Amino acid sequence: EVQLVESGGGLVQPGGSLRLSCAASGFTFSSYEMNWVRQAPGKGLEWVSYISSSGSTIYYADSVKGRFTISRDNAKNSLYLQMNSLRAEDTAVYYCAGGRSSSWYEDWFDPWGQGTLVTVSS
Amino acid sequence: SSELTQDPAVSVALGQTVRITCQGDSLRSYYASWYQQKPGQAPVLVIYGKNNRPSGIPDRFSGSSSGNTASLTITGAQAEDEADYYCNSRDSSGNPPWVFGGGTKLTVL
Repeated sequence: EVQLVESGGGLVQPGGSLRLSCAASGFTFSSYEMNWVRQAPGKGLEWVSYISSSGSTIYYADSVKGRFTISRDNAKNSLYLQMNSLRAEDTAVYYCAGGRSSSWYEDWFDPWGQGTLVTVSS
Repeated sequence: SSELTQDPAVSVALGQTVRITCQGDSLRSYYASWYQQKPGQAPVLVIYGKNNRPSGIPDRFSGSSSGNTASLTITGAQAEDEADYYCNSRDSSGNPPWVFGGGTKLTVL
């Protein structure tokens, strides 16, 4: 069974740090591009960060650039998101999602994890 | 950055056909993908590319695209289709590389 399981969420004070993990199973993780997508309470989906299958290419949304760091360990089938200098507006459910494409103009996110809630509050 | 615009809410009678649209300049260059999200659950991919359904997605779901508009059509909507639907595509500006629409809440009456 294809599965992504996030962990590491929780309550953190503004300015604090948190490290999210995403464990993959049931598919060849090392061949998948990976993403973090978040959803603030009652709001829509927001793409956060991308990492290529080898880890050589990384992108961030402007809202997290300089504060968040995405990484992966293909030997451990794991994806990570190190979040520093957290703000109240970072409060959201964070999903890891596989990135797939069949051409330069056609890509999609699949599979998705169940998400982990990050709450930034004093 | 570009935007993808969706109607906030759409309703459909049980068994009828509904079209959910997504508009944005990036859709002139890139195909949209569509995600279904039920309350308290993670998003699920329902359509990708020109009109492709992942394994397990009923064939009542279909996708199309014309100009700057992508559409998700549900033919014969079922009660279990009531959910939020999000479109997504690459961003023409590349910053950010991907963008989601604001989502459409589908109510099945």
